[in-house]
Amino acid sequence: QKEVEQNSGPLSVPEGAIASLNCTYSDRGSQSFFWYRQYSGKSPELIMFIYSNGDKEDGRFTAQLNKASQYVSLLIRDSQPSDSATYLCAVNSMKTSYDKVIFGPGTSLSVIP
Amino acid sequence: SAVISQKPSRDICQRGTSLTIQCQVDSQVTMMFWYRQQPGQSLTLIATANQGSEATYESGFVIDKFPISRPNLTFSTLTVSNMSPEDSSIYLCSVRDQNQPQHFGDGTRLSIL
Repeated sequence: QKEVEQNSGPLSVPEGAIASLNCTYSDRGSQSFFWYRQYSGKSPELIMFIYSNGDKEDGRFTAQLNKASQYVSLLIRDSQPSDSATYLCAVNSMKTSYDKVIFGPGTSLSVIP
Repeated sequence: SAVISQKPSRDICQRGTSLTIQCQVDSQVTMMFWYRQQPGQSLTLIATANQGSEATYESGFVIDKFPISRPNLTFSTLTVSNMSPEDSSIYLCSVRDQNQPQHFGDGTRLSIL
């Protein structure tokens, strides 16, 4: 089992719809969860982080965490064409003596005007 | 968040040569990391750059191939040694301060002929 898994996509949604991106992780000891957005040819940009079970909202973005199910998601409301990018889920790993972040394979999102 | 400057932004190199990539941060940070992102792939952690001591390498990466320096809390270098076409990739510097999420530099796009 891979440490962080995501649907590779591409996920296509119409403009104005809600985009739902999902991520599962294998390390039950993980405490920190991140969503990065990566435009083609650019480096990853942090858009959300969440540490506690439940929802965290920031503008059009909502991160949801369920540690019991080892599941984290990102909802993008009122999707815009500018949201078209690859979204990377990242999780901290406690399997080593030091704290490192593991990235999932990413989900490609396309918002259709 | 810290401003991360990475040099060079891109390079084209001959096989068998070596290239050193620099990462400069505008403030002192606890942790610095080097990642590789091969075309169409997610991020793979190469190593954690430790100030004043040898870097901590991930499985599949060795010091002879990817020597790393970190002389202080704001600067690190990654050298890609004896390059082959398989080393063509984007190399990313990432930093994290205590209890803060990771951020990335703009990356170095490396092509090996």
